[in-house]
Amino acid sequence: GAVVSQHPSWVICKSGTSVKIECRSLDFQATTMFWYRQFPKQSLMLMATSNEGSKATYEQGVEKDKFLINHASLTLSTLTVTSAHPEDSSFYICSAALSGGAFGYTFGSGTRLTVV
Amino acid sequence: QKEVEQNSGPLSVPEGAIASLNCTYSDRVSQSFFWYRQYSGKSPELIMSIYSNGDKEDGRFTAQLNKASQYVSLLIRDSQPSDSATYLCAAQEETGGFKTIFGAGTRLFVKA
Repeated sequence: GAVVSQHPSWVICKSGTSVKIECRSLDFQATTMFWYRQFPKQSLMLMATSNEGSKATYEQGVEKDKFLINHASLTLSTLTVTSAHPEDSSFYICSAALSGGAFGYTFGSGTRLTVV
Repeated sequence: QKEVEQNSGPLSVPEGAIASLNCTYSDRVSQSFFWYRQYSGKSPELIMSIYSNGDKEDGRFTAQLNKASQYVSLLIRDSQPSDSATYLCAAQEETGGFKTIFGAGTRLFVKA
């Protein structure tokens, strides 16, 4: 149980375009999901906390107008990278918290974004 | 001080040996602790959680927590080449909301 599905697994887009990444909890309801970014050989950096039915909470330094997060249902959160630039190329990973997070997170499979 | 600190490695051990991975944390994060394994190009997967002082064993894995020393470790017995990965130590903030802070990870290589 506790499966989080994320797609696409990889995407290549042109600079200036927008990309939407979906994260779904398949067998449980996730009131809270988290979005991370990971550059090569670096650790996970929390970008934002996505709360169902309310605005996302962004970490310091993350542009909320560039990284749009929508969590319209208990099983789906989306991250849209708007006006993507090559420096946005990274590995984006979502996660959902089981039992509110007390027992750790389940991660999606990640999305490798390459902006050319 | 970073909230969760790990030695980046790489840590290299021969097959069959015990791999010892260490992590220290600050006062801000002190509720629950987790170890995740991340293979190259993949997302992390939870392998152990520990909430109270002492040892917790699960198969070949043992997590150890010492809150007085603000120290958490992961031991992997009978290391296998398939254990080669980056191991992320994670801790939840004491302020609640289950916000989890990750360490930079330790790369482990198990040589056949």
